[in-house]
Amino acid sequence: GAGVSQSPSNKVTEKGKDVELRCDPISGHTALYWYRQSLGQGLEFLIYFQGNSAPDKSGLPSDRFSAERTGGSVSTLTIQRTQQEDSAVYLCASSQTSGSLYEQYFGPGTRLTVT
Amino acid sequence: KQEVTQIPAALSVPEGENLVLNCSFTDSAIYNLQWFRQDPGKGLTSLLLIQSSQREQTSGRLNASLDKSSGRSTLYIAASQPGDSATYLCATLGGDTGFQKLVFGTGTRLLVSP
Repeated sequence: GAGVSQSPSNKVTEKGKDVELRCDPISGHTALYWYRQSLGQGLEFLIYFQGNSAPDKSGLPSDRFSAERTGGSVSTLTIQRTQQEDSAVYLCASSQTSGSLYEQYFGPGTRLTVT
Repeated sequence: KQEVTQIPAALSVPEGENLVLNCSFTDSAIYNLQWFRQDPGKGLTSLLLIQSSQREQTSGRLNASLDKSSGRSTLYIAASQPGDSATYLCATLGGDTGFQKLVFGTGTRLLVSP
């Protein structure tokens, strides 16, 4: 079946502009995660959605970052007033959570470059 | 706070060698541990997942072991091939970080030469 998909695959934006990154999880997966992978920082957790529960936003680095998940499926990560330090690969993952292994499946990522 | 460390950071071997990648973690109260592979410019591919109650998992030439009490996991790759060249990441779920996120190591960059 289809895996996790993300769009765009690459995004170049000017400092100060807003960007939206999209994630389509695996059908039927109730949990969705966003991570960021940047040079020198490794992979870091950003936000977690589980069903209809309030998201865990504890990993968002600043209030310029926000995310939503519509209809329990597609998620959008929005970065406002982008800064050069936001340049990174943004990875989305999804998993089942009921009676499962909680195994996370990752998308190909969106490479964001802020000039 | 969970910390995950991987040693070595980089490894270069000739084709055909057997090799071991190491992963250690500070909080042993994990739910599971996953090993991933990442090719340059690509996302993460899950290789093996070991539940906290398990000691090892095998898939083809890959074998992952888990010693929860000592906070260690190893990924054994048998008869390495050039196509195995990639970065290998381990990540834990559970413990004091709950089920909301994986905590990743910094990875081992593997190069297998023909």
